[in-house]
Amino acid sequence: ETGVTQTPRHLVMGMTNKKSLKCEQHLGHNAMYWYKQSAKKPLELMFVYNFKEQTENNSVPSRFSPECPNSSHLFLHLHTLQPEDSALYLCASSQESGTGANIQYFGAGTRLSVL
Amino acid sequence: AQSVTQLGSHVSVSEGALVLLRCNYSSSVPPYLFWYVQYPNQGLQLLLKYTSAATLVKGINGFEAEFKKSETSFHLTKPSAHMSDAAEYFCAVSDLRSGGYNKLIFGAGTRLAVHP
Repeated sequence: ETGVTQTPRHLVMGMTNKKSLKCEQHLGHNAMYWYKQSAKKPLELMFVYNFKEQTENNSVPSRFSPECPNSSHLFLHLHTLQPEDSALYLCASSQESGTGANIQYFGAGTRLSVL
Repeated sequence: AQSVTQLGSHVSVSEGALVLLRCNYSSSVPPYLFWYVQYPNQGLQLLLKYTSAATLVKGINGFEAEFKKSETSFHLTKPSAHMSDAAEYFCAVSDLRSGGYNKLIFGAGTRLAVHP
């Protein structure tokens, strides 16, 4: 098992569809993250869950809805997306101890195309 | 607020040549700094991190980085490039949040090409 697994790896959806991205971490970590990676832009942090509680939402549009049912799983529910939402969505996890030095481990990402 | 600037969005070197990828940071507190690498169709993988223990940090695959407080820099180097080093490299600074988790502020990335 790889440390952080994301499914699906590729997703094509229309603007009226509803889909979900899944992330699972096998590292026993207590924090999980969603990032958006668009061409020619720095990685954008979207959401953070620390001990299953959402601790950050970086002004993400409501058409993106995260869910963290337990410390190992993280979902990103998508609905009525726009073409500009096409990007690579990365999930990460870390074991947070309040020092700022902890390493985030990334999944391979889901490449999303919105038509 | 913390920020990271990576100078040069594209760097091209010959196989066997020195690799130098530049990163400058802005931080109001002693920073924790990271270099990540992203190979095509993959997520980010940690190369190395600086946590104030030593200014010269050695990472995986022969990479190292030197923390220079006076220059607010954390440049990544490798003495001899290999074809397999072709990837995108990201510098990041840690912003410890009040919720007790580590928010990473990433630079825009530098794409390294290695030519035979």
